[in-house]
Amino acid sequence: AQSVAQPEDQVNVAEGNPLTVKCTYSVSGNPYLFWYVQYPNRGLQFLLKYITGDNLVKGSYGFEAEFNKSQTSFHLKKPSALVSDSALYFCAVRDMGGATNKLIFGTGTLLAVQP
Amino acid sequence: DGGITQSPKYLFRKEGQNVTLSCEQNLNHDAMYWYRQDPGQGLRLIYYSQIVNDFQKGDIAEGYSVSREKKESFPLTVTSAQKNPTAFYLCASSIGTDNNQPQHFGDGTRLSIL
Repeated sequence: AQSVAQPEDQVNVAEGNPLTVKCTYSVSGNPYLFWYVQYPNRGLQFLLKYITGDNLVKGSYGFEAEFNKSQTSFHLKKPSALVSDSALYFCAVRDMGGATNKLIFGTGTLLAVQP
Repeated sequence: DGGITQSPKYLFRKEGQNVTLSCEQNLNHDAMYWYRQDPGQGLRLIYYSQIVNDFQKGDIAEGYSVSREKKESFPLTVTSAQKNPTAFYLCASSIGTDNNQPQHFGDGTRLSIL
């Protein structure tokens, strides 16, 4: 079965420090991976995706993610955290079971950036 | 501006009542989705539609119904058969199917029980 795991419910980081939000996946075949961010009482906003090519993917708001096939991971990173980055982050993988764009989401990681 | 509009933002349901959540998009997207979000559980797919007049059940379709009579509209009805409807409901759309374009989300409807 295909799945996505976000092992940390919450990540705390000081403003200006680098941040990492972890994601691991389990799929058959090549994965199509996505990161989304959700602010309180809002919908999800797309940050970045990995389909193929360079393992380091750059996205919105200075975020990037590193695809690691051997470790089946797709961790989200940012060199210098901002207080405004505090939000709920979701990793997702495309469901490869059919000709759709269905996504399987992780349970989310709450990022708290302290000033 | 193009986007997805969900209404109402807050909705209250009485016992035995059906309620309908609206989702409209002006992105000219073929595919639309409904998710339910509960704390600590991430997003779970309720129904999705790849094209007008067609839709499929997701992982938690029991107690819900949808229609797709127009490309831009995908309303979700929470029926009285759904015994635990309190949640945040998110509608999304994507350009089409079988491609790798991201889904775009509305700002959600929060449903509570009176």
